Amino acid sequence: KQEVTQIPAALSVPEGENLVLNCSFTDSAIYNLQWFRQDPGKGLTSLLLIQSSQREQTSGRLNASLDKSSGRSTLYIAASQPGDSATYLCAAFTTDSNYQLIWGAGTKLIIKP
Amino acid sequence: GAGVSQSPRYKVAKRGQDVALRCDPISGHVSLFWYQQALGQGPEFLTYFQNEAQLDKSGLPSDRFFAERPEGSVSTLKIQRTQQEDSAVYLCASSLAGAYNEQFFGPGTRLTVL
Repeated sequence: KQEVTQIPAALSVPEGENLVLNCSFTDSAIYNLQWFRQDPGKGLTSLLLIQSSQREQTSGRLNASLDKSSGRSTLYIAASQPGDSATYLCAAFTTDSNYQLIWGAGTKLIIKP
Repeated sequence: GAGVSQSPRYKVAKRGQDVALRCDPISGHVSLFWYQQALGQGPEFLTYFQNEAQLDKSGLPSDRFFAERPEGSVSTLKIQRTQQEDSAVYLCASSLAGAYNEQFFGPGTRLTVL
């Protein structure tokens, strides 16, 4: 059964730093992996989706990578800003998970001005 | 264009009451999902619709939970005889085509059962 883990649970960095958020999964037979951000009291905003055939996706200051062999995905945030403060979640579809995204618990990111 | 909307945004129910939560997906989106999210956790899958067909309801925690999407657009999640453990945020998401496409989420409904 697929399990998705995000470590650390929380991260605090000064503004302007580049940072990496980690997502690990146990079953390499994934269909795709999606990164989301969630602001307090709000729903989830899709950031990037990586298909299993892709190695990375980029959107603005965000870059997500996927390494199926090691069971890892990373979300790189360049030149962090206070507005990047949120909880970041990754979720994976595996080929045997039917229609269910398997979610990590998220990393709460705080960017200090 | 409009995103996914949900109503009400907040609902307080007394234990034993029935509640109905509404989701309006993005127009034209085929797939619709319901999730339950506890504080500090990732969402937990409840059910999935493709158009009006409910293809997966394996995540519904009990037979008190019921979801429908009769015309393939708006969906309603109904919880009968609410219990305190039902307190959570209920999220709805839609995607343009099949289940494996990018999902777009609504703001959620926070349900508190007293």
